[in-house]
Amino acid sequence: GEDVEQSLFLSVREGDSSVINCTYTDSSSTYLYWYKQEPGAGLQLLTYIFSNMDMKQDQRLTVLLNKKDKHLSLRIADTQTGDSAIYFCAETPGGGYKLSFGAGTTVTVRA
Amino acid sequence: EPEVTQTPSHQVTQMGQEVILRCVPISNHLYFYWYRQILGQKVEFLVSFYNNEISEKSEIFDDQFSVERPDGSNFTLKIRSTKLEDSAMYFCASSEISGTDQPQHFGDGTRLSIL
Repeated sequence: GEDVEQSLFLSVREGDSSVINCTYTDSSSTYLYWYKQEPGAGLQLLTYIFSNMDMKQDQRLTVLLNKKDKHLSLRIADTQTGDSAIYFCAETPGGGYKLSFGAGTTVTVRA
Repeated sequence: EPEVTQTPSHQVTQMGQEVILRCVPISNHLYFYWYRQILGQKVEFLVSFYNNEISEKSEIFDDQFSVERPDGSNFTLKIRSTKLEDSAMYFCASSEISGTDQPQHFGDGTRLSIL
């Protein structure tokens, strides 16, 4: 497909793990990114992974990359109410400068 | 932690008027970008800027749009004659080397409302 694809919504119980999935389009994307957007705020860089890596862990965040399937996932361990936000996956098609974003996954954390 | 700042946070303008959106990128960054997000839609790339010239621009970035780095700190986006469909959140971003080698850091955005 032409677009970066993400599921639109995810509801998770506080303390559980969240997994947000993304399918990107361009195998030449050098880096893949996860951004977080809280209501009324900008895009906060969460983490990113170089395309020759399979996994990256940063505290509660784990990024998994399956380059063969062009599939990227973000796992948030011990999800908290402050994790409620929209999460965007982004690629750099053609290994260039611009970011191409998915539509975002709205994560709702319930008590 | 250094951050990208954008002003104003909200701009209301009459259709047909010119508007200038302002950004102060992170001080040691060399690459600058503008993106926009129409309500309910994806974040879309508009333009990238390096060494005082446009590196890349999208189809959205037509003759009505221009960018400028008027001094050592500011980076501006001008829309010459605004249309209703220009209503969106506009995000500025900057990166240290390039979008592939260093991640882009975003400002909080300017919400542009065209009446």
